[in-house]
Amino acid sequence: SQTIHQWPATLVQPVGSPLSLECTVEGTSNPNLYWYRQAAGRGLQLLFYSVGIGQISSEVPQNLSASRPQDRQFILSSKKLLLSDSGFYLCARSKHTGNYGYTFGSGTRLTVV
Amino acid sequence: QKEVEQNSGPLSVPEGAIASLNCTYSDRVSQSFFWYRQYSGKSPELIMSIYSNGDKEDGRFTAQLNKASQYVSLLIRDSQPSDSATYLCAVRTRFGAGTRLTVKP
Repeated sequence: SQTIHQWPATLVQPVGSPLSLECTVEGTSNPNLYWYRQAAGRGLQLLFYSVGIGQISSEVPQNLSASRPQDRQFILSSKKLLLSDSGFYLCARSKHTGNYGYTFGSGTRLTVV
Repeated sequence: QKEVEQNSGPLSVPEGAIASLNCTYSDRVSQSFFWYRQYSGKSPELIMSIYSNGDKEDGRFTAQLNKASQYVSLLIRDSQPSDSATYLCAVRTRFGAGTRLTVKP
């Protein structure tokens, strides 16, 4: 199974509040993990990716951060949310080696008010 | 120039017709190309991957790649209403904005 678990499905948060989104994956060990954001009516923007525990690469500097405390756990965080952080947040995995496309989680729809 | 460009659509075809979706990309060294289908409110689902020039067929779907022209396309034969979705082209980790397809019964 290559199942990806994301929660919550929907979240409404006030501006300035903190954020923590968690993603856990099943299946083969040491997967590559990714956080993407999709703003309304737009394509997917790569935020962070990780090739292993504690290894995080950031694609877009902003007020978000990511951590990978365990092989199958990937966390997206923010200390203070902005209105522009609203969007559909997707966790994805790919095989550790090569590039064979992604399996996506069901996503979290975040609205910052 | 955007890294991955798609016609935003919307594209509307009658049931049973061929739907043609196009994508161009700017990174000449890319080796991995993907098509994802995304139903409204859902996460994307990988439907095709292609790595070498030419055509790759999977059921009603055919992906075409032309690296010299930096062009990827997706053909959907015998389109069904259930094919109505947004189709995302991806080159490695970069995604296009998607093309919304509607198949009318």
